[in-house]
Amino acid sequence: DIQMTQSPSSLSASVGDRVTITCRASQSISSYLNWYQQKPGKAPKVLIYAASTLQSGVPSRFSGSGSGTDFTLTISSLQPEDFATYYCQQTYTTPQFTFGPGTKVDIK
Amino acid sequence: EVQLVESGGGLVQPGGSLRLSCAASGFTFSNYDMHWVRQARGRGLEWVSVIGAAGDTYYSGSVKGRFTISRESDKNSLYLQMTNLRDEDTARYYCARGVRYDSSGYYSGVMDHWGQGTLVTVSS
Repeated sequence: DIQMTQSPSSLSASVGDRVTITCRASQSISSYLNWYQQKPGKAPKVLIYAASTLQSGVPSRFSGSGSGTDFTLTISSLQPEDFATYYCQQTYTTPQFTFGPGTKVDIK
Repeated sequence: EVQLVESGGGLVQPGGSLRLSCAASGFTFSNYDMHWVRQARGRGLEWVSVIGAAGDTYYSGSVKGRFTISRESDKNSLYLQMTNLRDEDTARYYCARGVRYDSSGYYSGVMDHWGQGTLVTVSS
């Protein structure tokens, strides 16, 4: 089974900060990596798919990069509505998927 | 508008059974993969199961042999039959629509629409 890890598990940041979250796979997954955002009490929302493609309607301050085993989600200028938990998801073993453990972004 | 509405959650004793439903509307249900994803309170997302448009089914190792996913396209409904439930199955269960390819034909594998979930509590 492919295991996913994320770092950090949580971070505190201020509005306007550049934020970077890392996701690592236990084996190469090419670019089969998606990112989701989840706010408290809400269902997750997809942000990025195929490692770097922005889902329709998602603000351009979100970007993704990476391939193989190491991936990054970057928020270029953190906005108040971006405080949430972020999950990576591997789709290499489609249609069976695995999520990372999540990274919580809260207000400094 | 795409809508997914889960139901069927509740309190069940260990070893018991429960059937979850997900009513879909606003899209051609039969054309899409459908997933179940769960989330224990204060924990992360855990992928549970998927049924493809063609009816192929897959399960996570933690539920294989105990849970059965199914769909009825004429009712636009997705189901999850859960048996031999354990304490660790306690979670909110979400259904989600799966999209394999984007509009350009590139593989995405996203879950692009989610319901609000139904809560399953396994406790004596």
